[in-house]
Amino acid sequence: EVQLVESGGGLVQPGGSLRLSCAVSGFTFSNYWMSWVRQAPGRGLEWVVNIKSDGSEKYCVDSVKGRFTISRDNAKNSLYLQMNSLRAEDTAVYYCARDIPLYGSSGGYYDSWGQGTLVTVSS
Amino acid sequence: DIQMTQSPSTLSASVGDRVTITCRASQNINTWLAWYQQKPGKAPKLLIYKASSLESGVPSRFSGSGSGTEFTLTISGLQPDDFATYYCQQYSGYLFGQGTKVQVK
Repeated sequence: EVQLVESGGGLVQPGGSLRLSCAVSGFTFSNYWMSWVRQAPGRGLEWVVNIKSDGSEKYCVDSVKGRFTISRDNAKNSLYLQMNSLRAEDTAVYYCARDIPLYGSSGGYYDSWGQGTLVTVSS
Repeated sequence: DIQMTQSPSTLSASVGDRVTITCRASQNINTWLAWYQQKPGKAPKLLIYKASSLESGVPSRFSGSGSGTEFTLTISGLQPDDFATYYCQQYSGYLFGQGTKVQVK
């Protein structure tokens, strides 16, 4: 069974940092692109950042450029999101999701999701 | 940038109804579109990919159609478990529609 379990969310002050983790099991992690997708309270879904199966390519939404960094450890079946210079508008549930890309490059859909971890940026 | 417009934003329906949700892209996206269902406090669940392909394990009352710029998700015979919010998502840039909440009439 495919499982994705996020952790690391919490309350952080504006300008602060947080590192999210996603532990996966039930599939060969090193074969898949992975993404972080967020959902602000009462709002829709927003793709944030993704990473190629071997970590060689990364893409992100403009609003997090220079602040968020995605990484992975294929030996540990884990995905990470380092979030720096956090802003109130980053408050959201963050989901890790397994990416099924079109033509093997960035861009596709998500067939498996974690349960999410809540990040609250507030003073 | 491609924009995705979902309609309606809210839909009131009864058990047994046929429900249709529309998603429009601002430019041609071929059939590169997925549909998800999300219940409160839960992660989204993939229903349809490549516009009309049913994800394994998803009931056959769900169906997707369309290509180019206009797409529909149809629920044929709404069940109590189907009251939820539905999102379309185009593959390029992983852009989601605004969502359609299906609520009890």
